[in-house]
Amino acid sequence: DTGVSQDPRHKITKRGQNVTFRCDPISEHNRLYWYRQTLGQGPEFLTYFQNEAQLEKSRLLSDRFSAERPKGSFSTLEIQRTEQGDSAMYLCASSLISQGISPSGSLNEQFFGPGTRLTVL
Amino acid sequence: SQQGEEDPQALSIQEGENATMNCSYKTSINNLQWYRQNSGRGLVHLILIRSNEREKHSGRLRVTLDTSKKSSSLLITASRAADTASYFCATVPSGFGNEKLTFGTGTRLTIIP
Repeated sequence: DTGVSQDPRHKITKRGQNVTFRCDPISEHNRLYWYRQTLGQGPEFLTYFQNEAQLEKSRLLSDRFSAERPKGSFSTLEIQRTEQGDSAMYLCASSLISQGISPSGSLNEQFFGPGTRLTVL
Repeated sequence: SQQGEEDPQALSIQEGENATMNCSYKTSINNLQWYRQNSGRGLVHLILIRSNEREKHSGRLRVTLDTSKKSSSLLITASRAADTASYFCATVPSGFGNEKLTFGTGTRLTIIP
């Protein structure tokens, strides 16, 4: 399977515990994104990496959240001291940035993984 | 925060009919993309339309983009039961370096066999 994979697919934890999710992007994709999706809503951007560099973080990403992509391949998202409000689907996506021919910049087709559904009790 | 809204929030049609859903957004964009999400699963990319394009086709899908109105529509022709899913539009803002997707609130489409 050459798509984006995420592990685990489901995670149930008690409030206050730490959790870590893993994302393996499509190989050779240089961009990796994390999104969070709550029930009935569209995904919301959390952060993204170009290779190993974390280029942007959303205000949604509180101090309890940290993401890494140490070798520019897989990425981990850790949530410390989980709260019930952290319950959501966490989606990972990857893309290969290439320059478009228009002056408006690059295209960005992102490929999503199946997500990790987190339930905090 | 969500970039915009999709309309309708929910749509039920008979199999074989056409389904149209609309998306509005707020800022200047580089491109707009449509995604499908089956219940509780990841998103599948459907089609991308650039800001300098007005219409694009892919199989049974037709997407239009009106940058003056900051709106887009997705038409699915000859719907099938397998088209039952949530559909989201997502925008990439204009300006190099702004690569994150900003999603709408989604339209829940139900195809009745």
